[in-house]
Amino acid sequence: DTAVSQTPKYLVTQMGNDKSIKCEQNLGHDTMYWYKQDSKKFLKIMFSYNNKELIINETVPNRFSPKSPDKAHLNLHINSLELGDSAVYFCASSPHSPNEQFFGPGTRLTVL
Amino acid sequence: DAKTTQPPSMDCAEGRAANLPCNHSTISGNEYVYWYRQIHSQGPQYIIHGLKNNETNEMASLIITEDRKSSTLILPHATLRDTAVYYCIVRAGGSQGNLIFGKGTKLSVKP
Repeated sequence: DTAVSQTPKYLVTQMGNDKSIKCEQNLGHDTMYWYKQDSKKFLKIMFSYNNKELIINETVPNRFSPKSPDKAHLNLHINSLELGDSAVYFCASSPHSPNEQFFGPGTRLTVL
Repeated sequence: DAKTTQPPSMDCAEGRAANLPCNHSTISGNEYVYWYRQIHSQGPQYIIHGLKNNETNEMASLIITEDRKSSTLILPHATLRDTAVYYCIVRAGGSQGNLIFGKGTKLSVKP
């Protein structure tokens, strides 16, 4: 069984569009995260959610919004997509006292 | 969180031990050393973590110096599948904080 899954795996879209990336974890973890990996391969935190509360937001543009319908899901919504949003986005989850974060396979977003 | 310094790349022969160093001279008393790796096109994978004692699991060993200013991740018998970018991260243990990834070390295991 896949622990952390993301859909879609690839997403190609035009500038200005609105898109969503879904993330689900079946580990019963309390906290979920979104990371962005740019073309230079730097991995940076975007958001984390703990029990439906946003606890970290690292100066990400407000075009990006995480939405958590329940503890097992943290979806990433992006409005008015820009060229610079092209990257690989990784979802992750961790238990309440996290020594280990479990990452999903990533979603490669390409904005044309 | 303390900063870490790692060599940008290393090579290792298949079947030999891979020793990946990490400097974290500004580490504070409550900060743990974590190691993750990222195999090409995959999500990062947790390897091991430690506070001050050496640690070993099925994947690797972590050796932390007595002053805790540096550590070494050891893959005892590297295989081609261990080729990846290895990240050394320092963070307060048990916190809900995010992982701050640096540039890591690109380990190439060669036949």
